[in-house]
Amino acid sequence: KQEVTQIPAALSVPEGENLVLNCSFTDSAIYNLQWFRQDPGKGLTSLLLIQSSQREQTSGRLNASLDKSSGRSTLYIAASQPGDSATYLCAVPEGAQKLVFGQGTRLTINP
Amino acid sequence: GAVVSQHPSWVICKSGTSVKIECRSLDFQATTMFWYRQFPKQSLMLMATSNEGSKATYEQGVEKDKFLINHASLTLSTLTVTSAHPEDSSFYICSARPFAGKNTEAFFGQGTRLTVV
Repeated sequence: KQEVTQIPAALSVPEGENLVLNCSFTDSAIYNLQWFRQDPGKGLTSLLLIQSSQREQTSGRLNASLDKSSGRSTLYIAASQPGDSATYLCAVPEGAQKLVFGQGTRLTINP
Repeated sequence: GAVVSQHPSWVICKSGTSVKIECRSLDFQATTMFWYRQFPKQSLMLMATSNEGSKATYEQGVEKDKFLINHASLTLSTLTVTSAHPEDSSFYICSARPFAGKNTEAFFGQGTRLTVV
């Protein structure tokens, strides 16, 4: 059974810093890994999707890497802004199309 | 990206009544949609997989008679919480993929906050 873990559970940094969020999964036989952002009381916004054949994916200030063999992914956020404050979730497919989520990292960027 | 819309965004109902939540794919067709539940400060847990034109597949421990799912068209799935009780209060989110298959990106609705009083 796939298990996804995210560390840290919470992170607070000053504006402008670069930061890394971590995601690990127990079963390396994944098709892809997806990073999401969730604002309080809202749904999920897809940030990046990395296919199993890819090592990294970039979108603006976000860069996600994937190391399947070690069961790890990282989300790098450059030059953080207060608007980046949210909970970040990673997820991998299991079975047909079901997604298994990590517990999330609650990020606070202080002005 | 593709758009998935949920309605309502929030609902308050009395204990014992039923509540229907709609999930629509606005710019694509989805033969399969997913319903998740999220408790405060916790991650998402899959409740069921909604299949267009056939019965939903429920995860272990989810009462299918309590959480009725109907997927009558390629753009609409509904979740009805029947005889709701306070313990059903939660955040419900639906998801769909524009393209079938395991390698494709999943998109989520904005969620529905259900409060049963």
